[in-house]
Amino acid sequence: KQEVTQIPAALSVPEGENLVLNCSFTDSAIYNLQWFRQDPGKGLTSLLLIQSSQREQTSGRLNASLDKSSGRSTLYIAASQPGDSATYLCAVLTGGGNKLTFGTGTQLKVEL
Amino acid sequence: EAEVAQSPRYKITEKSQAVAFWCDPISGHATLYWYRQILGQGPELLVQFQDESVVDDSQLPKDRFSAERLKGVDSTLKIQPAELGDSAMYLCASSLSRFYEQYFGPGTRLTVT
Repeated sequence: KQEVTQIPAALSVPEGENLVLNCSFTDSAIYNLQWFRQDPGKGLTSLLLIQSSQREQTSGRLNASLDKSSGRSTLYIAASQPGDSATYLCAVLTGGGNKLTFGTGTQLKVEL
Repeated sequence: EAEVAQSPRYKITEKSQAVAFWCDPISGHATLYWYRQILGQGPELLVQFQDESVVDDSQLPKDRFSAERLKGVDSTLKIQPAELGDSAMYLCASSLSRFYEQYFGPGTRLTVT
């Protein structure tokens, strides 16, 4: 059974700091990995999707890397802003493309 | 920009009552998912449709939950009877097909009293 772990569970940083969120998964037989953002009481917004054959993806100030063999992914946020405050979830697609397994998320607070 | 629509956004119901949630996926998306998210946890898949067919409902409590996607477009998730432990956010997502990026709706926050 695929298990996804995210560390840290919560993070508070001052505005402007660069930061890294970590995601690990137990079964390396994945099709892709997605990073999502979730604001309180809202749905999920897809940030980045990395195919299993890719090593990284970039979108604006976000960069996600994938090391499938070691079961790890990182989300790098450059020059953090208060608007980046949210919960960040990673999820891996396994099981013949049928199952997206989520981590429990990292709750990020960027302070002025 | 196309979005996944869900209604209602909030629902309060008493235990033993029936509730229903509706989802309209992004046009052209063949795969539709229903997830349940308990506060502080990641979403967990309840049921997955490919067009009008159920692909995976292994985590759906079938004694009280049912889901349908009759014409392969919009979908309804029903709970009958609701229990206190069903209080959660119910999220709908869609994708072009199984291996593609999933897009989520705003969710329905269910509170069972």
